[in-house]
Parts: sequence; C-alpha cells; structure tokens
Amino acid sequence: SQQGEEDPQALSIQEGENATMNCSYKTSINNLQWYRQNSGRGLVHLILIRSNEREKHSGRLRVTLDTSKKSSSLLITASRAADTASYFCATAANAGGTSYGKLTFGQGTILTVHP
Amino acid sequence: DSGVTQTPKHLITATGQRVTLRCSPRSGDLSVYWYQQSLDQGLQFLIQYYNGEERAKGNILERFSAQQFPDLHSELNLSSLELGDSALYFCASSVSPGGTGGNSPLHFGNGTRLTVT
Repeated sequence: SQQGEEDPQALSIQEGENATMNCSYKTSINNLQWYRQNSGRGLVHLILIRSNEREKHSGRLRVTLDTSKKSSSLLITASRAADTASYFCATAANAGGTSYGKLTFGQGTILTVHP
Repeated sequence: DSGVTQTPKHLITATGQRVTLRCSPRSGDLSVYWYQQSLDQGLQFLIQYYNGEERAKGNILERFSAQQFPDLHSELNLSSLELGDSALYFCASSVSPGGTGGNSPLHFGNGTRLTVT
C-alpha cells in the first residue's frame, strides 16, 4: 500500500497562477521528499524536508510539513507551462532509527499548466 | 541528466520469458534502488543494494531477483514473465545507505519500459 497520498489527483491551472499539492501519510517519518516526473521519464528530486522542519523553500517551491497532521504541501508559485508534470511525495519511514533509504511514493498529482 | 544509466530503454518479450535490466549508478553513489511503476500500482519499491549488499527489500516477487556487482552496477532479473509484469522499471542511486533515515535524495534513471505480450 502507498504511504503517501497526494491530493488532488489532477490539477489544471493557467500560467502565472500558483499550484498547491497536498500529501498525507500514515506512519512516523524521518523525512519527506517531493519529486517531479515528466511523462515517461525518470523522477527528479525537488526538495527534502526533515521531520523537525516545518517549512522549506527552493526557488519557486515552498514545502510545508505538519507532522501532527501527517501531511505536507508543495506550493509552486508563478507557474509556467514547463512545470507541467506529475508530482510525487515520498516518505522515508522512521523505523527504529533506521529506514535504509526506502522511499515510499504516493500516487502523484498530475499538474497541467496552460500557457 | 541524472547520471544514472539504464539499459535497455524498451523491451518487448513474451510471457514465460526471462529478461535482465541493467543499471549504472551515478558516479560516487554506492546505493542502488529498483522501483516498478505501473498505472494501477503506482511506484513500488522493489529492492535496494548498498556497496554490493542487499539493504532493504520491498514488494519484490520471488520470480524477480537482483544483484549489485563490485563495479556497483546492478541488474534486475525478471523470470517467468506475466502480462501483469508490464511496467516501467526504474533504477535510482544515492550516496548514502539510507541507514540514517534515507536523507539522501534519489537520482533516477529514465527507466526500462517492459512490455510482456
């Protein structure tokens, strides 16, 4: 079963608008990562947020983490057509202090940005 | 370019056959991960190797096996193939073994698209 669940499953916006994607997970985590996948290509790492962090920024990306609600959000500001892709959250479980780098991915949000 | 190389890019084979997928990790990365991506199951973690040793195991079928060689490249062997094995198979690599919580980002190859007919 998937650890992370993204919401919405699909998001369609106009260029220049902001896009917000949410991720919920079930178990205690060590960190949460967001990845992007262009159609038929490999995933690309975007940002990592540790369980003791609440917010992180990288360029036009802003990620928040609420461990009490077991949820995270990814905000892409001033979106561009080139941001069109699938976005996945991935969690590294906190299992007795070691998690062996096993990342469990959600089903993803398909983002379409119209020019 | 992630630096992770996967071959072949496409593979078409028949049910019951056996195939081998190959992965060369990014230079300097000791960990190799295999993932399967399909429309119905999403991205499923199969197995991880670190410096030649199996490190973690996920939802990998008994018909599947993998190994990491001394030069750190890895191979995923899929046997007795079934129609349901059709999927994108990704290899990813990272610097760390993940023992400290998997904090290293994964670098993904572009995958091998397997079609079983």
